[in-house]
Amino acid sequence: QKEVEQNSGPLSVPEGAIASLNCTYSDRGSQSFFWYRQYSGKSPELIMSIYSNGDKEDGRFTAQLNKASQYVSLLIRDSQPSDSATYLCAVTAYSSASKIIFGSGTRLSIRP
Amino acid sequence: NAGVTQTPKFQVLKTGQSMTLQCAQDMNHNSMYWYRQDPGMGLRLIYYSASEGTTDKGEVPNGYNVSRLNKREFSLRLESAAPSQTSVYFCASTNGGSSLSTDTQYFGPGTRLTVL
Repeated sequence: QKEVEQNSGPLSVPEGAIASLNCTYSDRGSQSFFWYRQYSGKSPELIMSIYSNGDKEDGRFTAQLNKASQYVSLLIRDSQPSDSATYLCAVTAYSSASKIIFGSGTRLSIRP
Repeated sequence: NAGVTQTPKFQVLKTGQSMTLQCAQDMNHNSMYWYRQDPGMGLRLIYYSASEGTTDKGEVPNGYNVSRLNKREFSLRLESAAPSQTSVYFCASTNGGSSLSTDTQYFGPGTRLTVL
């Protein structure tokens, strides 16, 4: 079992709709959770970080964390064509807060 | 302020050759990382260095060695390259973590390595 699981997609969402991306993790002691966006041929860049249960909103993006269910999600409201990218979920290991493990990513495509 | 820099950007090796990938950051970060990315595989952690003077294995360390030369630099060495090591390699850095939170990672532009 991978430590961080994501649906590889592709996830196709119409422009203006809400895109919902999901991630589960196996290390119950993980404390820090991240969503990165990666355009094709580019480096990952941080969209959101979340550390406590509940929702965290930043513009069109909302991260949701449920530690009891070991589940973190990312919602993108009013999806734009520029949101088309691969979204990577990352989680820190309980054994070391500096050890950061990524999921395999979900490809998101926003259709006009 | 260049952030995280990696050299080279591209490299082609023959099976059995060795090479070192270089990474440097100018953000005074404590922690540095090496990941590899294969198509459809996301980022897999090879090695990381939580602080200057320490290194630890990640998910896929076999066939690689690392050196944390100083606080700024973290190199990745392939002693005897194999075709299975064909990948894009990313270096990253962060201010580090505590039991409560870990800072954002900043990534370099990547090194595209092909082993024939």
